[in-house]
Amino acid sequence: DQQVKQNSPSLSVQEGRISILNCDYTNSMFDYFLWYKKYPAEGPTFLISISSIKDKNEDGRFTVFLNKSAKHLSLHIVPSQPGDSAVYFCAASAIAVSTGTASKLTFGTGTRLQVTL
Amino acid sequence: DTGVSQDPRHKITKRGQNVTFRCDPISEHNRLYWYRQTLGQGPEFLTYFQNEAQLEKSRLLSDRFSAERPKGSFSTLEIQRTEQGDSAMYLCASSQRGDYNSPLHFGNGTRLTVT
Repeated sequence: DQQVKQNSPSLSVQEGRISILNCDYTNSMFDYFLWYKKYPAEGPTFLISISSIKDKNEDGRFTVFLNKSAKHLSLHIVPSQPGDSAVYFCAASAIAVSTGTASKLTFGTGTRLQVTL
Repeated sequence: DTGVSQDPRHKITKRGQNVTFRCDPISEHNRLYWYRQTLGQGPEFLTYFQNEAQLEKSRLLSDRFSAERPKGSFSTLEIQRTEQGDSAMYLCASSQRGDYNSPLHFGNGTRLTVT
């Protein structure tokens, strides 16, 4: 069962415009959400995160929005740059009852963003 | 470079052979994770350690897979009697205790090809 879903496998955006990447989740126990960026032949790199007590978190050109009632989050990149071209993964985690801390991350299937000139 | 280090970067093996991968986490991180990624998919959780204790294993981790972190520092992932379906990128990540302000830091992975 795919608990974290990224329904758009790819997205093409012109340089300078806004990129919006979407993510849906089904597990209501998830309370921490992250976005990772991955270039070919490299491991995923952490980009930005948000906890369930917030509905928005901003870091420079990157903003993540969380809609808990809809179990939906999105990543906005403004303005988009050619160096942003990569695969973006949404990930989520929950508090592990046994340890009281965040446990494993569950990832979506990724969205390939291409920023064109 | 003090990031997560994985060795080897690539491994080609014949079906039925055993392979072992190594991961060196960021030195102050006490949590270490193994993930597997296949083409077109996101990373799938395999197992994680807090210090030397293995706290959780995925049902994806069959009896042919074993992971160790003997002194709470580096970790090894061994696959016995490899099958073609084991071909994937194996990713290691580390974090500080799973606190929310300490996200996972990934290595560049070991790409396994089973022929």
